Amino acid sequence: EAGVTQFPSHSVIEKGQTVTLRCDPISGHDNLYWYRRVMGKEIKFLLHFVKESKQDESGMPNNRFLAERTGGTYSTLKVQPAELEDSGVYFCASSQRARDDEKLFFGSGTQLSVL
Amino acid sequence: AQSVSQHNHHVILSEAASLELGCNYSYGGTVNLFWYVQYPGQHLQLLLKYFSGDPLVKGIKGFEAEFIKSKFSFNLRKPSVQWSDTAEYFCAVMAYGQNFVFGPGTRLSVLP
Repeated sequence: EAGVTQFPSHSVIEKGQTVTLRCDPISGHDNLYWYRRVMGKEIKFLLHFVKESKQDESGMPNNRFLAERTGGTYSTLKVQPAELEDSGVYFCASSQRARDDEKLFFGSGTQLSVL
Repeated sequence: AQSVSQHNHHVILSEAASLELGCNYSYGGTVNLFWYVQYPGQHLQLLLKYFSGDPLVKGIKGFEAEFIKSKFSFNLRKPSVQWSDTAEYFCAVMAYGQNFVFGPGTRLSVLP
């Protein structure tokens, strides 16, 4: 079974530019999450999709971040314009969220460096 | 709001030493508890989880964790570590209907 895949694995951009991160969840997983880890700190929740709908976007830091999941399959996270403090590792995860087997499957993450 | 703390930022051990990584959470209700591990260059993967029942849970690669409700703790243990256990370990908590909350991670370095 293919896991959660993220693209690109690394992205280096200049402040003010735009970057789009992509996540392909495990097939059949309705739940898709974005997390990020900044400066080696804790992994923080950004938002949660159930199929194509945003279930919870309380973790999105500001309106420079836009997440989409058209058709309920893959998701994109766009940062526009990027700022220095956006640097970090962006993780995507998916789950079936069955009550008796609730766990997250993670992608390898995208390392974003904003210079 | 839930929060998770991990006692150590970086732990350095020699092979065959015993390991205990501390994890405490703050939340008054029922929670599910997890330990995830990230080996160098790899993605986060589940080590073990606790939902209910026996508070001592066993995971992959010889790891186990004990849930102590009165202490809001879920410490990870392994009796004898190997060089291949070098990784970063994350404790996570999930209250029903809510999202995962992760701790800051503990980096484990095992010296051969």
